[in-house]
Amino acid sequence: EAGVAQSPRYKIIEKRQSVAFWCNPISGHATLYWYQQILGQGPKLLIQFQNNGVVDDSQLPKDRFSAERLKGVDSTLKIQPAKLEDSAVYLCASSAGQVIHEQYFGPGTRLTVT
Amino acid sequence: GEDVEQSLFLSVREGDSSVINCTYTDSSSTYLYWYKQEPGAGLQLLTYIFSNMDMKQDQRLTVLLNKKDKHLSLRIADTQTGDSAIYFCAETDDKVIFGPGTSLSVIP
Repeated sequence: EAGVAQSPRYKIIEKRQSVAFWCNPISGHATLYWYQQILGQGPKLLIQFQNNGVVDDSQLPKDRFSAERLKGVDSTLKIQPAKLEDSAVYLCASSAGQVIHEQYFGPGTRLTVT
Repeated sequence: GEDVEQSLFLSVREGDSSVINCTYTDSSSTYLYWYKQEPGAGLQLLTYIFSNMDMKQDQRLTVLLNKKDKHLSLRIADTQTGDSAIYFCAETDDKVIFGPGTSLSVIP
């Protein structure tokens, strides 16, 4: 079974630029999560989708971050414009249901904002 | 608000036992988790424990939960160099809250 795929693996941009990350969850998984992991910290949930609907986006900075999962499969996370403090690893995870301990994580995208 | 704390670093010799400690604040957490993260990789669920349990053992891993003190620990028996990684404690009610992670270094 293929795991959660993410691209790109690394991205370096200048502040005020835009960036987008892509996630392909495990086939058949209805729930998709985006986490932000700042260096030296644990992951923080940004947004959770159930199929193509948003379940929780309470910690998503909506003035600059957006995410979509139009067909209930792949998802993109966008930052526009980026700030220095957005430098982090962005992790995507998926699960068949909404049970937390059934989440499978992708390898992450490491973003550096200069 | 909800908070999870862990010591940041632990160093042990190969073959010894490692004990990683965690404290949490949300007494209503249903599950508590231990995740492992190797360099450049995503998180891997190691084990989890229901809040009504005191202990769970899974091969080399032993999880102890003291609900009164809101303290969770992970013991790794016979620690190997392949166990070197960052270990995250996490609590959950409606969403998961991760601690800052404990970096475990295993000295050959």
